[in-house]
Amino acid sequence: GAGVSQSPSNKVTEKGKDVELRCDPISGHTALYWYRQSLGQGLEFLIYFQGNSAPDKSGLPSDRFSAERTGGSVSTLTIQRTQQEDSAVYLCASSLVAEGRETQYFGPGTRLLVL
Amino acid sequence: AQTVTQSQPEMSVQEAETVTLSCTYDTSENNYYLFWYKQPPSRQMILVIRQEAYKQQNATENRFSVNFQKAAKSFSLKISDSQLGDTAMYFCAFMKDTGRRALTFGSGTRLQVQP
Repeated sequence: GAGVSQSPSNKVTEKGKDVELRCDPISGHTALYWYRQSLGQGLEFLIYFQGNSAPDKSGLPSDRFSAERTGGSVSTLTIQRTQQEDSAVYLCASSLVAEGRETQYFGPGTRLLVL
Repeated sequence: AQTVTQSQPEMSVQEAETVTLSCTYDTSENNYYLFWYKQPPSRQMILVIRQEAYKQQNATENRFSVNFQKAAKSFSLKISDSQLGDTAMYFCAFMKDTGRRALTFGSGTRLQVQP
């Protein structure tokens, strides 16, 4: 079946602009994660959605970052007033939460460059 | 909090040879999962192998196997009969069995398979 998809693949923006990154998880997966991969910080957790529960936003680096998941499926990560330090690859992953079987499957990522 | 350490930033192996990538972790959890992910230049994070902490038997997937030492908190990956397509970044990752199931990643090992 189809894997996790993300769009756009690459995004170049100017400092101060807002950007939206999209993630389409694997159909039927109840959990969705956003991670950030940067040279200086490695792979960092950003936010976690599980079913209808309130999202775990504990990894978001600042209030300029927000995310939503509509209808328990597609998710959008929004970065407002982008800064150069936001340049990174943003990875989305989804999983089916089942006892002893949870494995996260990743999308190809969105490479964000803030000029 | 959990930490994952990969002490080998780069490794090189000849095609058809065997190579072992090291990973250690620190946690106070008793039940958890460990993963090895592969990230080729295409950026797609691909699951290589997973291990449940409650299982004493080491996981194997074709040419990939792990040496899981729970008491030592060690989780190494052995790649047998290395192939050129194995060239990639390899990340070791930890996931708790309860609560927030975000992955905690190591810093990665860059593996180059030489022809």
